[in-house]
Amino acid sequence: ELKVEQNPLFLSMQEGKNYTIYCNYSTTSDRLYWYRQDPGKSLESLFVLLSNGAVKQEGRLMASLDTKARLSTLHITAAVHDLSATYFCAVESQGGSEKLVFGKGMKLTVNP
Amino acid sequence: DGGITQSPKYLFRKEGQNVTLSCEQNLNHDAMYWYRQDPGQGLRLIYYSQIVNDFQKGDIAEGYSVSREKKESFPLTVTSAQKNPTAFYLCASSRTANTEAFFGQGTRLTVV
Repeated sequence: ELKVEQNPLFLSMQEGKNYTIYCNYSTTSDRLYWYRQDPGKSLESLFVLLSNGAVKQEGRLMASLDTKARLSTLHITAAVHDLSATYFCAVESQGGSEKLVFGKGMKLTVNP
Repeated sequence: DGGITQSPKYLFRKEGQNVTLSCEQNLNHDAMYWYRQDPGQGLRLIYYSQIVNDFQKGDIAEGYSVSREKKESFPLTVTSAQKNPTAFYLCASSRTANTEAFFGQGTRLTVV
């Protein structure tokens, strides 16, 4: 059974700082998605990573995927307050039931 | 505008009543999904449908039912058998089962 773990689950950081958050998963998959959720809102798609070594960047966020290590990272560069949100990674299970399994989410607070 | 519409945004239900949450998409997507979100638990899959007139149980299907009579619509019924239905419910769709999922704005259900 596919399990997805995010680390850390809560992060408070100052504006201008850098940080990396992690998403580990337990079984083989080469499709991973990052989503952002603001309080009380729906999920917004951030990145789609579809192969080993995939790297995507959007503004101050950069995501990468290492399928051999079953690990994705989301790197935050020079954080700003607007990045405060909850970030979810989701991994697509393979070999039977194609469905997304979500991590518990990481709540990020960026302080001025 | 193309998108996924969930209604209502807020819903109150008395114990013992069934209630139906609406999800409509005009993206011409084949696959549709229902997730439940509880605080600190990420998203859990209730039901999913890869094609019209077909659907499969997700990880927490007990106490829920769905139908997929039209490609655009995937309503979720929360039955009285669901013991703890208070949660945030998110509907999503994707072009096919193995592609990026897009989410509706969610329905917050409260049992009173």
